[in-house]
Amino acid sequence: ETGVTQTPRHLVMGMTNKKSLKCEQHLGHNAMYWYKQSAKKPLELMFVYSLEERVENNSVPSRFSPECPNSSHLFLHLHTLQPEDSALYLCASSPRGSSYNSPLHFGNGTRLTVT
Amino acid sequence: AQKVTQAQTEISVVEKEDVTLDCVYETRDTTYYLFWYKQPPSGELVFLIRRNSFDEQNEISGRYSWNFQKSTSSFNFTITASQVVDSAVYFCALSDVKSGGGADGLTFGKGTHLIIQP
Repeated sequence: ETGVTQTPRHLVMGMTNKKSLKCEQHLGHNAMYWYKQSAKKPLELMFVYSLEERVENNSVPSRFSPECPNSSHLFLHLHTLQPEDSALYLCASSPRGSSYNSPLHFGNGTRLTVT
Repeated sequence: AQKVTQAQTEISVVEKEDVTLDCVYETRDTTYYLFWYKQPPSGELVFLIRRNSFDEQNEISGRYSWNFQKSTSSFNFTITASQVVDSAVYFCALSDVKSGGGADGLTFGKGTHLIIQP
């Protein structure tokens, strides 16, 4: 069983819907990440949280809104998405302050389809 | 700026053949870390190896081996006697200290889809 759990595994939503992706890590890590994986593109870092504070926001549109209530949980709130937002959204965690040399631990991802 | 190039989009080999996945990276920093991850059809990325910029010693782990060449900025991955279970997408990734030091994530290549045919 992976130490990083993402729900739901699959999500289909209309452009006017509001939904949330959830990530939970059981590894005692202090840093959590959202990545977007689109077809034929490199994984794109979206957000980074370290000790529940956002430390990175890579020019992500405001229709994506992250939330990190504690070091074990990370959410990605979605609203008024576009079809091009359809992708696999991966959550990852690592020990704080050492992600540059520590491997990231990834969840299974949420496959999002925007219709 | 960091960049990771995996020129091979897809490789298909027959089981038991050896296969090498290429990775070329760019960074201006002298201290950096290189990673390989495997992404099976289930979706999660599985960590395979980490190598720091000061350690050019090649590594072997079972059927997997990695060749780190700073002179050519390459970190290639070889699977010997490939098996069907090796079929996956493999990602090379780079992290350097100057780009953030702390929790700033990794720069990934586009991945190589490896297909091992029985």
